[in-house]
Amino acid sequence: GENVEQHPSTLSVQEGDSAVIKCTYSDSASNYFPWYKQELGKRPQLIIDIRSNVGEKKDQRIAVTLNKTAKHFSLHITETQPEDSAVYFCAAISYSGGGADGLTFGKGTHLIIQP
Amino acid sequence: GAVVSQHPSWVICKSGTSVKIECRSLDFQATTMFWYRQFPKQSLMLMATSNEGSKATYEQGVEKDKFLINHASLTLSTLTVTSAHPEDSSFYICSASNSNQPQHFGDGTRLSIL
Repeated sequence: GENVEQHPSTLSVQEGDSAVIKCTYSDSASNYFPWYKQELGKRPQLIIDIRSNVGEKKDQRIAVTLNKTAKHFSLHITETQPEDSAVYFCAAISYSGGGADGLTFGKGTHLIIQP
Repeated sequence: GAVVSQHPSWVICKSGTSVKIECRSLDFQATTMFWYRQFPKQSLMLMATSNEGSKATYEQGVEKDKFLINHASLTLSTLTVTSAHPEDSSFYICSASNSNQPQHFGDGTRLSIL
């Protein structure tokens, strides 16, 4: 099965600086890589995702890069703000459109934005 | 975006009680629903995958007789924690998907067994 490793487990950055969270996956068949933001006691919220036919995707301050050869993908948050403080999870799945497989999550990164 | 409703949001009950959690997809038909469990400060772990009209597929280490899953319609799946004990206390989250929708999560249910 798929195994997803996520680093770092905790990341503290100054407000306005950039934050980078990295994940690696093991299953070369995985082709969909979502990132979730979870605030304490709440549901994970999809913030950005990338499919394996794309190397980079950007949405305002958030970007994700994917290196299929190395089997790693990263989340980049620029100009960080206090509201970015949360736990971020990466995930990987072989998504064929049938929607039949569960997500394998990384262990999460607690992002702390220092004012 | 797609909306998934989960109920109840918080349950506190005595050891030995059975607890039912509902997961509904409100604006799309979910051919597949997933149940995850999240212990404090840990990641989400998939418990089982439920396809409408068929038996759920459980992940290794998850007792199917303890965590009963029913997915009788394209908009509703239920998870029943039977004879719950304190070690079952956790945050249970469902998600729903189909061929056109990646997984959308419910709000989760915080289960506390005394």
